[in-house]
Amino acid sequence: ILNVEQSPQSLHVQEGDSTNFTCSFPSSNFYALHWYRWETAKSPEALFVMTLNGDEKKKGQISATLNTKEGYSYLYIKGSQPEDSATYLCAFGMGANNLFFGTGTRLTVIP
Amino acid sequence: GAGVSQSPRYKVAKRGQDVALRCDPISGHVSLFWYQQALGQGPEFLTYFQNEAQLDKSGLPSDRFFAERPEGSVSTLKIQRTQQEDSAVYLCASSSHGTVNQPQHFGDGTRLSIL
Repeated sequence: ILNVEQSPQSLHVQEGDSTNFTCSFPSSNFYALHWYRWETAKSPEALFVMTLNGDEKKKGQISATLNTKEGYSYLYIKGSQPEDSATYLCAFGMGANNLFFGTGTRLTVIP
Repeated sequence: GAGVSQSPRYKVAKRGQDVALRCDPISGHVSLFWYQQALGQGPEFLTYFQNEAQLDKSGLPSDRFFAERPEGSVSTLKIQRTQQEDSAVYLCASSSHGTVNQPQHFGDGTRLSIL
C-alpha cells in the first residue's frame, strides 16, 4: 500500500492571508509529483507537474516546491482570495503511468 | 471537444443492476485513465488505456468491473451486478502522452449511487 499524505485535512484562512500545505510521499521510485485544484462542482484542474528534486513552480500567487530525497512537496498560496477556496490534491507518480493521490487539503478563504 | 466529457453526471441504480459510464477524452489524447473516488478519499486508480490498448487494469476492484476503448477515443466503464460499495464518484482523465510527466485533464465525474 502506497502512502501519500496531505496535511492539514482542512483549513480556514482570512482573505489576504498566505498559507501553505504539505504532501508527503515515498522517497523511492519517484517519477513525478502533481498538484491539482478541485473546486466544488467542477473537475480537478492541473496546477503543477514536478519531476526534479529542488523543482520550484509558480502560477500567479500559487507556488510549489519539491524535495524528492525526503519525500515532500509544499504548496504555497500568497494573499489568498475567496476564489482560491477548493480542495488541493497532490498525486505521486511512481511508475510510468500510475498516479497515487492523497486525500486532499480543503481550503476555505473567508472574505 | 474542449475538455473531457463524462456522462451521465449522476446515476442511481438498484443493487444488482448493470451500469455503463462514458468518457469522451480531449481529441488527440493518447492516454485515458479511470479513477474511483469514495467519500472522503482521494481518487484511486482503476485502469489505463494507451489508444485502444488497456495497458494496466490492476486497480479494477473485481471482475464485475470492465473498461473498453475500442477505437482509441471514447471509453466506457461498465459495472455488472452493482453492489452498494460501488457507490462513488468515477473520474475519467486524459493526457497527451502516457507518462506521469504529463498533467492529466479530468472530466466532471459521474456520481454513482447504488440503492
